[in-house]
Amino acid sequence: RKEVEQDPGPFNVPEGATVAFNCTYSNSASQSFFWYRQDCRKEPKLLMSVYSSGNEDGRFTAQLNRASQYISLLIRDSKLSDSATYLCVVNLYSGGYQKVTFGIGTKLQVIP
Amino acid sequence: NAGVTQTPKFQVLKTGQSMTLQCAQDMNHEYMSWYRQDPGMGLRLIHYSVGAGITDQGEVPNGYNVSRSTTEDFPLRLLSAAPSQTSVYFCASSYSIDEQFFGPGTRLTVL
Repeated sequence: RKEVEQDPGPFNVPEGATVAFNCTYSNSASQSFFWYRQDCRKEPKLLMSVYSSGNEDGRFTAQLNRASQYISLLIRDSKLSDSATYLCVVNLYSGGYQKVTFGIGTKLQVIP
Repeated sequence: NAGVTQTPKFQVLKTGQSMTLQCAQDMNHEYMSWYRQDPGMGLRLIHYSVGAGITDQGEVPNGYNVSRSTTEDFPLRLLSAAPSQTSVYFCASSYSIDEQFFGPGTRLTVL
């Protein structure tokens, strides 16, 4: 099983739709979680951190489910400008050792 | 602030050549990292540094060297380029390993 798994998509959704992505992780000791956005041929940029209590930023909501070991990203009222690849990131720290694992990303295409 | 800068943007090498990818940041971040991104794979950590003079290996360190003589700079050296090192390379910096700021990337082709 991969350490971090994402459905690569693409997810093709109409403008205004709500879309959700999940990302599962295998190591239950993982400690911090993030969503990054990456536009085509550009660098990843931090979208939001993910907390157990949930995290909302405008149209974006991120959730962490430790029991089932997944994180989610919900995008409401999709805009054409939301078209991008969304990467989940899982961090693990143990005894001075740190490991950052990126998922392969989920591609979102918002269509007019 | 320029943020994280990388040079060159594009590079073509022949097998066996060596080169250095440059990375600099002006945010006074202690943490800096190098990743490679290949189609169908997530970004993979090559090497990272938690401060000047301190570096450590990531997931895929073979064939690469790093050094960190200053807080600002974190160059990545390819010792003897191989076609398997054809990739997009990203440098990142952060206050901690968590929320990282990435440079624009270097697209490297090894023939």
